[in-house]
Parts: sequence; C-alpha cells; structure tokens
Amino acid sequence: TQLLEQSPQFLSIQEGENLTVYCNSSSVFSSLQWYRQEPGEGPVLLVTVVTGGEVKKLKRLTFQFGDARKDSSLHITAAQPGDTGLYLCAGGNYGQNFVFGPGTRLSVLP
Amino acid sequence: EAQVTQNPRYLITVTGKKLTVTCSQNMNHEYMSWYRQDPGLGLRQIYYSMNVEVTDKGDVPEGYKVSRKEKRNFPLILESPSPNQTSLYFCASSLSSVYSNQPQHFGDGTRLSIL
Repeated sequence: TQLLEQSPQFLSIQEGENLTVYCNSSSVFSSLQWYRQEPGEGPVLLVTVVTGGEVKKLKRLTFQFGDARKDSSLHITAAQPGDTGLYLCAGGNYGQNFVFGPGTRLSVLP
Repeated sequence: EAQVTQNPRYLITVTGKKLTVTCSQNMNHEYMSWYRQDPGLGLRQIYYSMNVEVTDKGDVPEGYKVSRKEKRNFPLILESPSPNQTSLYFCASSLSSVYSNQPQHFGDGTRLSIL
C-alpha cells in the first residue's frame, strides 16, 4: 500500500509570514495533486504536478515535485488569513486510485 | 454550474437502522468514489466506480455498499450502521481514472453520527 505523510500536522502563523509544508512517500507517483479544504466544504484542487523537479506557481503559492517523484512541497509567501485551511496532497499512478495524505492544518492569524 | 451534490449534509441515526447517502454529479464524469475523513487519518477511499455497473472496493469497504445504475448517481448504503462509521463522508467524481492527473471534484460532505 502506498502511503503519503505530511508535515507539519498543524501550523499556526502570523499574517505576512512565509511557510512550507511537505508531502513525502517512499513510493514513486506519476502525479501529485494538492488540495485545500475549508471547514464545511469538500477539498478543492489547487494544482497537479507530473514531472520530477517541476515547479508550479499559483499567485503566492509555489508547488514543487521532487526529482524522484516521491515528495512534494508547498510554499506560501506572505500568508494571509484567507490561506487558512487543511492542505491535502494526493499521489496518483496511471490506472490506479489516488492516495491522500493526512493533511496539514494551517491557521493564519491576522 | 458543475457540481457534486450529496444528501443529506448531516444525519444523526441509531445503530442498525439502514441509511443511504446520495451523490449526484452533472459533469458526465465516468469515475466516482466515496471517501471517509477522520481526524489524523486523512481521506480514505471506501468504494469507487470506473463507469456504470462497474464498482470496486477501496481501502475501507467493510460495512458499506454502493451501486452505479446511472452515470450521474453513486449512492452509499450502510445496511446496518455502527458507531465506528461515525465520520465525515465525501463523494467525488473525475473525468476518468485512467489518467492519473485528472482532478477530482468533491461534494460538500455528509457528517454522519451513529449513536
């Protein structure tokens, strides 16, 4: 069974700070997705990365897929209260189901 | 508006009383799945369906049933609910499961409490 670990589990920071959260596995994935989930809602896709070493930017969010396609990171620059939520990574392989990590719960205080 | 709709959003019931959580998507997606979300465990897949009349077990299928008679609907059935099935449930759909970079679209969740 493929497993994904995420760290840290919880993170509380002040508005304007930078942060990085991590998603790690001992397995190789052909793609990795990041979702954000807000209270009372389902997860919403932020980005999909498919190439080892790939970097994608979404405004203040930077996503990186590890060279070996076993890990990924999400960096947020100048965090804002609107970034508060649960960040989930999900690894996928061709023809197989996605595996989700347990998530990082981020709280950005004004 | 493209969406996945789950009903009910909240349900409190008692052990052993059969219940069904409905899920419907309007995006003509082939792939649908059910997850449960528990603190510290993330999303765990219960059942999935690659297409109409094709369903298969996920990681935690015990105590659950599903059916896929129509492309748009994928109900989750608890024949004899037990307290350990108290959880937050999500239905999701995607265009296809064959290509691993397909995004999954999630419903807003069903919070189920079994007393």
